[in-house]
Amino acid sequence: QVQMQESGPGLAKPSETLSLTCSVSGGSISSRNYYWGWIRQPPGKGLEWIGSIYYSGSTYYNPSLESRVTISVDTSKNQFSLNLSSVTAADTTVYYCARLDYDDLVVDYWGQGALVTVSS
Amino acid sequence: QLVLTQSPSASASLGASVKLTCSLSSGHSTYTIAWHQQQPEKGPRFLMKVNSDGSHKKGDGIPDRFSGSSSGGERYLTISSLQSEDEADYYCQTWGTGFWVFGGGTKLTVL
Repeated sequence: QVQMQESGPGLAKPSETLSLTCSVSGGSISSRNYYWGWIRQPPGKGLEWIGSIYYSGSTYYNPSLESRVTISVDTSKNQFSLNLSSVTAADTTVYYCARLDYDDLVVDYWGQGALVTVSS
Repeated sequence: QLVLTQSPSASASLGASVKLTCSLSSGHSTYTIAWHQQQPEKGPRFLMKVNSDGSHKKGDGIPDRFSGSSSGGERYLTISSLQSEDEADYYCQTWGTGFWVFGGGTKLTVL
């Protein structure tokens, strides 16, 4: 059974960089069969895809966030990470990591989510 | 442009059935989608994937009350014998050339 867990500071200061890590257990992040991604959800709103990464390091980003987002993978730790720079209060939200099956092209596992608040 | 459209809300009575719809944008009627459930104050959970031919494959532990179907560019999630814990937000999701796409979600109220 795959489990995914987000970790990182729950507080970020305006204009600084928000950093989160997703630890994956029960499956290898080096598998060719999956993409690994980050999604966020502002309070009371829907899901917004931030970006994703393949084990090879290939990345795709939401055009609305692309200038501020970096996603990386650490295969030795079976983890992948999100960096979101120049954060504002609008980036205060719950961040989820998730896995997308490359054959079915659907998300099949989610992390529990991590609330990050941007405040001075 | 690949877009998924969902009705913002739906309601049905306890013990009844409800059918939620996810509409694929024009030109994308063959796409597979996934349905995800998000109960209040919880993270999303994968329910099932639904193919263009109507076949579907559920995630681990998803009850038989949940089923999927298709018609053209529409993908459906049917929940029968509604229970109180089915009151949740339901999102559809697909993938297009590297981009993950989510519908706006349907808030299901169980009366």
